[in-house]
Amino acid sequence: QKEVEQNSGPLSVPEGAIASLNCTYSDRVSQSFFWYRQYSGKSPELIMSIYSNGDKEDGRFTAQLNKASQYVSLLIRDSQPSDSATYLCAVNYGNNRLAFGKGNQVVVIP
Amino acid sequence: DADVTQTPRNRITKTGKRIMLECSQTKGHDRMYWYRQDPGLGLRLIYYSFDVKDINKGEISDGYSVSRQAQAKFSLSLESAIPNQTALYFCATSDVGREGTYEQYFGPGTRLTVT
Repeated sequence: QKEVEQNSGPLSVPEGAIASLNCTYSDRVSQSFFWYRQYSGKSPELIMSIYSNGDKEDGRFTAQLNKASQYVSLLIRDSQPSDSATYLCAVNYGNNRLAFGKGNQVVVIP
Repeated sequence: DADVTQTPRNRITKTGKRIMLECSQTKGHDRMYWYRQDPGLGLRLIYYSFDVKDINKGEISDGYSVSRQAQAKFSLSLESAIPNQTALYFCATSDVGREGTYEQYFGPGTRLTVT
């Protein structure tokens, strides 16, 4: 069983602040990592992918990967009410199969 | 038109009934997947297929079967539905992304209730 942990409870952030989400994974050989955003009642939407250690920026999103410590994080800068959603961390554990964390709910307060 | 479609979008069925969920895609992707999502349990892989002749079980395949009728179509069947199969079901497809590894894209989902 490949474990992907997202342990933080719901995260409330004021509009314009930075939201920080963390994810740890158990499979040391995993090479690709993804963040999905899921609005209530909707399907997951891919927002970030990262494969190399370090930071990857795309607009207001930054993904950070540390393979030695087996964690991946997502930063959302200048948070907007439209960022209110559940964010899912996913890890490719081989053969393009993904293991998902249970998700972190983000609420952006205007 | 949506790239990945799922039918039906909502379904209520009774215990013991056979039900089929269908997925079609116009993305031209070879790889297709079926997941279920339950509150508190996250997304779990049921079956996946890399082409018409290649079908593989995921982590929770018991009670389910699949058919890959064509590159664009991947169906999930519940031969005899039971209440704990009540869940949100997603189909996904994947293709190589900009950085050379596969990325998965999800359909709109089917909400299934077994009474």
